[in-house]
Amino acid sequence: ETGVTQTPRHLVMGMTNKKSLKCEQHLGHNAMYWYKQSAKKPLELMFVYSLEERVENNSVPSRFSPECPNSSHLFLHLHTLQPEDSALYLCASSRVWEGSYGYTFGSGTRLTVV
Amino acid sequence: KQEVTQIPAALSVPEGENLVLNCSFTDSAIYNLQWFRQDPGKGLTSLLLIQSSQREQTSGRLNASLDKSSGRSTLYIAASQPGDSATYLCAVITDSWGKLQFGAGTQVVVTP
Repeated sequence: ETGVTQTPRHLVMGMTNKKSLKCEQHLGHNAMYWYKQSAKKPLELMFVYSLEERVENNSVPSRFSPECPNSSHLFLHLHTLQPEDSALYLCASSRVWEGSYGYTFGSGTRLTVV
Repeated sequence: KQEVTQIPAALSVPEGENLVLNCSFTDSAIYNLQWFRQDPGKGLTSLLLIQSSQREQTSGRLNASLDKSSGRSTLYIAASQPGDSATYLCAVITDSWGKLQFGAGTQVVVTP
């Protein structure tokens, strides 16, 4: 394991469903991120949380709702998604302000919206 | 706005050859630059991290250089192996929140 754990690994959901993605880090990092990777496109930043406060919402539609209850856990709540939201969703953590900003990524959740 | 470009988009070499992957970025005001590896359908594995004050980093067969003034980084992989087949991603951090700006990646195939 990389130190950043994502569940589930795969998710298929209908457009009217509500589901949540979970991310957990045990590295003592103080920032967590959600990235989206669609086919044939570069990785896109979605949200940034630092010390449990959201510091960035990169023009993400409201059908994606993040939650960061503590510095080790990050969720992405999904509702009324569209087929074009099908992608690999990656969680990452980093230590900001106090060093190298080295990143650790999770293995991702492969989401398919039908 | 920071833009990151990786050339070539794809590369195929026979086993044993050295690999040279290029990354360029438009804004030289970066905190650091990282190289990642991604296997199909998987997450990202960090390979090398170069701080903005550094010129290069080395790990085993991998060496990455950074020229901030010209906005370029190069990843060298010596004596390539079939296990090196993957997509290699370059990314820069340009703010204190650690937001990464990625290139589109270079897909590498090493043939036995």
